[in-house]
Amino acid sequence: DTGVSQNPRHKITKRGQNVTFRCDPISEHNRLYWYRQTLGQGPEFLTYFQNEAQLEKSRLLSDRFSAERPKGSFSTLEIQRTEQGDSAMYLCASSLEPSYNEQFFGPGTRLTVL
Amino acid sequence: GQQLNQSPQSMFIQEGEDVSMNCTSSSIFNTWLWYKQDPGEGPVLLIALYKAGELTSNGRLTAQFGITRKDSFLNISASIPSDVGIYFCAGHLENTNAGKSTFGDGTTLTVKP
Repeated sequence: DTGVSQNPRHKITKRGQNVTFRCDPISEHNRLYWYRQTLGQGPEFLTYFQNEAQLEKSRLLSDRFSAERPKGSFSTLEIQRTEQGDSAMYLCASSLEPSYNEQFFGPGTRLTVL
Repeated sequence: GQQLNQSPQSMFIQEGEDVSMNCTSSSIFNTWLWYKQDPGEGPVLLIALYKAGELTSNGRLTAQFGITRKDSFLNISASIPSDVGIYFCAGHLENTNAGKSTFGDGTTLTVKP
């Protein structure tokens, strides 16, 4: 399968714990995006990378959130000191210039914070 | 905050019927996209629109980029049970090259056999 993959698919954690999610984009896609989706709403932009450079971060991305894409391939999203309000589906997408608007999404990681 | 208004919020139709949904904004978008999302999965891109007035088809799906650049609609003809899901519109605001998508809150489609 050459699509976007995300791991884990599900994560249950206790409030205050740290969690890390991984995204593997479609090979050769130079842009990688992270979105968050809560029930009944569309995805909300968090951050994006062009190759290894993180070029934009949403105000939704508090100091407890950090994302990396060290080699311009896979990316990780870490949430420190999780809160119940962090419970959501975290989606990763990738795209290839010049058609960067056409984003291919992974299946998401569903986070539940108890 | 959310800048796209998607309607209707939900639709219940009979198999074989045609469906129409739309998306409006107070801002000008230079790209409109339509996605479908199944439960527990990520959105799948259906159609991308790049020019005002553009009408594009993908099988039984047809979407149009509004002339004012502030709206778009999606039509599904002769619906079938596998059309069930949540349909999202998304757009990219004028004067941005980030590729960051702004999504509507979706139209949930139920098709009765």
